[in-house]
Formats: sequence, C-alpha cells, structure tokens
Amino acid sequence: DAMVIQNPRYQVTQFGKPVTLSCSQTLNHNVMYWYQQKSSQAPKLLFHYYDKDFNNEADTPDNFQSRRPNTSFCFLDIRSPGLGDAAMYLCATSRDILTSGSSGEQFFGPGTRLTVL
Amino acid sequence: KQEVTQIPAALSVPEGENLVLNCSFTDSAIYNLQWFRQDPGKGLTSLLLIQSSQREQTSGRLNASLDKSSGRSTLYIAASQPGDSATYLCAVRPRWQGAQKLVFGQGTRLTINP
Repeated sequence: DAMVIQNPRYQVTQFGKPVTLSCSQTLNHNVMYWYQQKSSQAPKLLFHYYDKDFNNEADTPDNFQSRRPNTSFCFLDIRSPGLGDAAMYLCATSRDILTSGSSGEQFFGPGTRLTVL
Repeated sequence: KQEVTQIPAALSVPEGENLVLNCSFTDSAIYNLQWFRQDPGKGLTSLLLIQSSQREQTSGRLNASLDKSSGRSTLYIAASQPGDSATYLCAVRPRWQGAQKLVFGQGTRLTINP
C-alpha cells in the first residue's frame, strides 16, 4: 500500500544532543510537510517542501532544520533539542493543489514521539 | 487570516447514537476541507475531503457536509461505536494563505460509551 512512513516511532535524546527524524513516502507526492504536535493541541506546521523548494514558517525556531534529498525522503533535524521540543512530530504529503486533477488531500505518517531528557 | 473552530472540545455519548461534530471557519475562500481522525499517540487518518465546489461526501457511517457561504462543516457519525472514540480534527486549505497549507481546528475529543 502507498503510504507515509516515519522512523523511528519513538526517539529519546538528551538535552542539547542533535537528533534526526526521517520520513519517506511511496505516494510520489511533490509536497512534504513537517508538523509539531503537543498534547491536546492541533498540529503546528514547521515547514514544507514544494518539490525542492523549502518553505519555512515565520515562527519556526532556527533550531529546526530540514533536508529533502529526493522526492521520497525528508528529514527533520533538531540541532540542540530543549525540553520544550518534546512532542509528536508528524510528516505529511500531498500532491500540489494547483495541479489539474489534484484533490490536494493531505496524508499523514504515524508520527515520531520525541522525548528530551 | 483564516481561523478554524471546533465546538465542543469534548463530547461523550452512549453507543448507538447518531452524532454531529461541528467545524466553522472564518474565510470562505478555500480549496477544500478535510476531516481527520487521531487516536491517542498516533498520526492523523484522513476520513473525508470535500472540495469547495461540493456539498457533502460520504464514507460508510460518516457523512461530511460543507456550507462554504456560512463557513461551516459538519461530520455526521451514524450508529456510533466504541471504536469511534478518538479526536476528530477538521482543516481547511485556504486560497490566500499559502495554497499548500492546512489550517487546523483544535479538535473534538469524542468518547463513545458502551
């Protein structure tokens, strides 16, 4: 089945120790997103890639970076995790809404739960 | 700026009841509206997507409606079951705030009691 895969599902890191979360997709979608979700809150968009073009949200801290080496993979790097960065990180994909015939439906992965000690 | 509101924040009903979840949005200039389900500690599962030109979509016991002019959507769940217990989120894709993004509501946490 075509899907969005996130690894690892659970990640424990130490305060200040860099961590990388990964996302892959078999949907061949050209847009990929990273969200942060804290308990009982809506997902908060950190940034998205439109093909190779990186689009950062204005309020995303510099501590968060991303890489998209190819269509299928996208990585979230947290350079110096703080206690406030403990959260669920969700990857999502969609086809460009402006492409003819595209519904723009967004599909999410299962998430990575990050714990910062 | 587009804002999405879901009321109530939590809802508890006995098994077998039909129920309606509400979603409202402030700007009718949208491409589509998407309803998601989220189980505790899990990702979001897409339930239904309604394009701006559509009035409703159905999938099994779920029916979602869209009234763009009034800025409202409802998710109707028929014959509720304990397995329907989850948080339900609605999200709109605005035309003017960046066509590739979703704006989410805060969700309704639904509990179906056996």
